[in-house]
Amino acid sequence: NAGVTQTPKFRVLKTGQSMTLLCAQDMNHEYMYWYRQDPGMGLRLIHYSVGEGTTAKGEVPDGYNVSRLKKQNFLLGLESAAPSQTSVYFCASSPGLLSSGNTIYFGEGSWLTVV
Amino acid sequence: GDSVTQMEGPVTLSEEAFLTINCTYTATGYPSLFWYVQYPGEGLQLLLKATKADDKGSNKGFEATYRKETTSFHLEKGSVQVSDSAVYFCALSDRVDSWGKLQFGAGTQVVVTP
Repeated sequence: NAGVTQTPKFRVLKTGQSMTLLCAQDMNHEYMYWYRQDPGMGLRLIHYSVGEGTTAKGEVPDGYNVSRLKKQNFLLGLESAAPSQTSVYFCASSPGLLSSGNTIYFGEGSWLTVV
Repeated sequence: GDSVTQMEGPVTLSEEAFLTINCTYTATGYPSLFWYVQYPGEGLQLLLKATKADDKGSNKGFEATYRKETTSFHLEKGSVQVSDSAVYFCALSDRVDSWGKLQFGAGTQVVVTP
């Protein structure tokens, strides 16, 4: 029962480096999301996708790009990392609209530090 | 826009004590309301939810009632255990304001001591 799997779990980057976080889900969910979690701020939505080949901006999209080439995968890219992007990143997926009561499933998180 | 406000932590309790975490919200439409729990080093897990006014969500001894008149969704548990130590997040998803993204509160850390 893999659910939502994120890789890598930990990474340290230097300012200006690029990297990609991979999210994979095996539940055939249409919706996928990337959140970041910072102390005292809860989770904030970076980007989301409502289906294969689609992406959209969330609350804090600047400095990030995403792609959903396959339904089961949702990639989050940092083209030029900045210390402000030090955070814990969570991927999530859901079978349908959350406002209709559908459940969202979270991965275990990826700890990213930018020095 | 939509927002969720929950009480600040940390909340420190002794085992078997009564727990209440206050959560209030503002929304333009008719939101669904959720409580998520995050154990140390893990992702968030759905604890309970309510999709319309007066609904009561319950799970693992936790309860919360959707109060439209007071725009609240307070989380309660009658007798906490050490294993309930975690961070608890209140969240909403609004049918009207958006396609249904989750708006989270800041989280409340709960520490239960033996």
